[in-house]
Amino acid sequence: EVQLEESGGGLVRPGGSLRLSCAASGFTFSNYSMNWVRQAPGKGLEWVSSISSRSNYIYYADSVKGRFTISRDNADNSLYLQMNSLRADDTAIYYCAREFAIQLWTQTGEVYYYYYMDVWGKGTTVTVSS
Amino acid sequence: SYELTQPPSVSVSPGQTAIIPCSGEKLGDRYASWYRQKPGQSPVVVIFQDTKRPSGIPERFSGSNSGNTATLTISGTQAMDEADYYCQAWDTSSVIFGGGTKLTVL
Repeated sequence: EVQLEESGGGLVRPGGSLRLSCAASGFTFSNYSMNWVRQAPGKGLEWVSSISSRSNYIYYADSVKGRFTISRDNADNSLYLQMNSLRADDTAIYYCAREFAIQLWTQTGEVYYYYYMDVWGKGTTVTVSS
Repeated sequence: SYELTQPPSVSVSPGQTAIIPCSGEKLGDRYASWYRQKPGQSPVVVIFQDTKRPSGIPERFSGSNSGNTATLTISGTQAMDEADYYCQAWDTSSVIFGGGTKLTVL
């Protein structure tokens, strides 16, 4: 069974750090790009960061750029999110999500890819409070 | 930055058709996905690439995308469909979610 399981959440003071982990199982982790998506209490989904299968492409939302670092260990089937300089507005459930790629072609025959998030973990809760 | 706009809430009677719009500039030029999230649960994709349904998603779920609006349609809505629904698209290398629509089945 394809599964993602997040861990590492907890209560941290403003300015503190936390490292989230996401353990993947049931699929070839090294073949997929991965994402972190968060949801503040009572709010909608907010994309945080993504990393390509070999870690050569990494992207961040402006709200976390310079404070959060995404990484992965394909040998260990694990995804990570190092969160520094945490603020109250970082309080949220953090989900890891697998990115599924669909190969498409333009009218001129060029290949491109479309992605969507097909598998989500149950999430881990981060609370930033003094 | 690119934005997707959804109505905060939509109500529908059981058995009727629910229509949830998602608007964004030239959204029809991009592919849209839709995610359903029930209380206390993780999101689940119900539509990807504008119109496609993953296995396990009932046929009553359908999607379309043209111009500035993507639409999720639920035909013959059931009580179990009550949930929050989020549209999603890509902007360059960033993932954009709509603000979400709470579907209430009255």
